Amino acid sequence: DVKVTQSSRYLVKRTGEKVFLECVQDMDHENMFWYRQDPGLGLRLIYFSYDVKMKEKGDIPEGYSVSREKKERFSLILESASTNQTSMYLCASSLWTSGGAEQFFGPGTRLTVL
Amino acid sequence: AQSVTQLDSHVSVSEGTPVLLRCNYSSSYSPSLFWYVQHPNKGLQLLLKYTSAATLVKGINGFEAEFKKSETSFHLTKPSAHMSDAAEYFCVVSDAAYKYIFGTGTRLKVLA
Repeated sequence: DVKVTQSSRYLVKRTGEKVFLECVQDMDHENMFWYRQDPGLGLRLIYFSYDVKMKEKGDIPEGYSVSREKKERFSLILESASTNQTSMYLCASSLWTSGGAEQFFGPGTRLTVL
Repeated sequence: AQSVTQLDSHVSVSEGTPVLLRCNYSSSYSPSLFWYVQHPNKGLQLLLKYTSAATLVKGINGFEAEFKKSETSFHLTKPSAHMSDAAEYFCVVSDAAYKYIFGTGTRLKVLA
């Protein structure tokens, strides 16, 4: 059974802290994605990666960075957490194709920044 | 440029009655289209996808969707709602390898 796991389901951090969210997939997928989900806004892409050490900015990269040192692992980093980064964070992976590949999602991390 | 519009933010149906969740899209190319479901505090699960094969797509749990190019629509239907269908549903369009555009979601409520 295919699986995407995220390191935490719930996380509470203080303003200014550095926050690491980790995602691991066991499907040997090339592509990995980090999304942010907020009510009424759907999912918005923060960053994606199509290969080890390769990354591309999504629609809302400000305040975030990512790391992909191994194919199966994709980390999202909040350098200095702020209250407006309180949100649900979803990781996804997919095969590389020219388009139309199904994305597989992790269960999400609900981050609260106080 | 791609875009996707889910026409209803909330839909309520009675158990055993049909479900219709509406989605319109815009794409410059031949798109792939997806419907995902998200139950409370869970990740997204694929219901079905259209990738230029049959225009009527059958998915899991009795859901299906019809791709209508002339209407740029990809509405999700189910003949008979079940209580377990209560969730949020997302329509997604993709016309490039890394580009997935999500609708804002439709929350389905099923009344006993």
